[in-house]
Amino acid sequence: DAKTTQPNSMESNEEEPVHLPCNHSTISGTDYIHWYRQLPSQGPEYVIHGLTSNVNNRMASLAIAEDRKSSTLILHRATLRDAAVYYCILRDAGGTSYGKLTFGQGTILTVHP
Amino acid sequence: ETGVTQTPRHLVMGMTNKKSLKCEQHLGHNAMYWYKQSAKKPLELMFVYNFKEQTENNSVPSRFSPECPNSSHLFLHLHTLQPEDSALYLCASSHGDLANYGYTFGSGTRLTVV
Repeated sequence: DAKTTQPNSMESNEEEPVHLPCNHSTISGTDYIHWYRQLPSQGPEYVIHGLTSNVNNRMASLAIAEDRKSSTLILHRATLRDAAVYYCILRDAGGTSYGKLTFGQGTILTVHP
Repeated sequence: ETGVTQTPRHLVMGMTNKKSLKCEQHLGHNAMYWYKQSAKKPLELMFVYNFKEQTENNSVPSRFSPECPNSSHLFLHLHTLQPEDSALYLCASSHGDLANYGYTFGSGTRLTVV
């Protein structure tokens, strides 16, 4: 499985933008970049995914580097409810992996009032 | 509610007990997954089912036995567990053949083995 590298932790202030980076230098052409977050005592929650182009949804934006070796999850205005562990994961479209998700340690985001 | 329902939410069992965890989804997904999350560790993929067929077993001990009777239901049968098996067990579902599709997770079963 192609691996991702994320900072262990980041901090932000409420109502400020947050940029969560992810490096995936060994990404293959068929890998989709997925982001999930896990709030305390809950299962992970899908946030956003993309392949090559930048993506926006109601939760966040995903900026993907032109060479696809890195990406950034952008929360435009952080709230206290955004405090969670954020996971950047590559989901393979091909082979026999059946598109499984392999989780790493993720980034612990702390949001200060 | 996420669309993936796990029961029970909490379970305490002795090492000689037999219990089962249940997962149910009515999202029309064709793949279901069991993950284990121990304290301070990343989620570990245990089993993968695609169209009711088990396609992955990540070297999970035989005291964990999955069952997938149809695409909407997934069970994890537990017997003779050890205290180190205490963890949060998470079920997820998705379209297994679509990498551009997200997973939906349940809220998990918090298992304590005494």
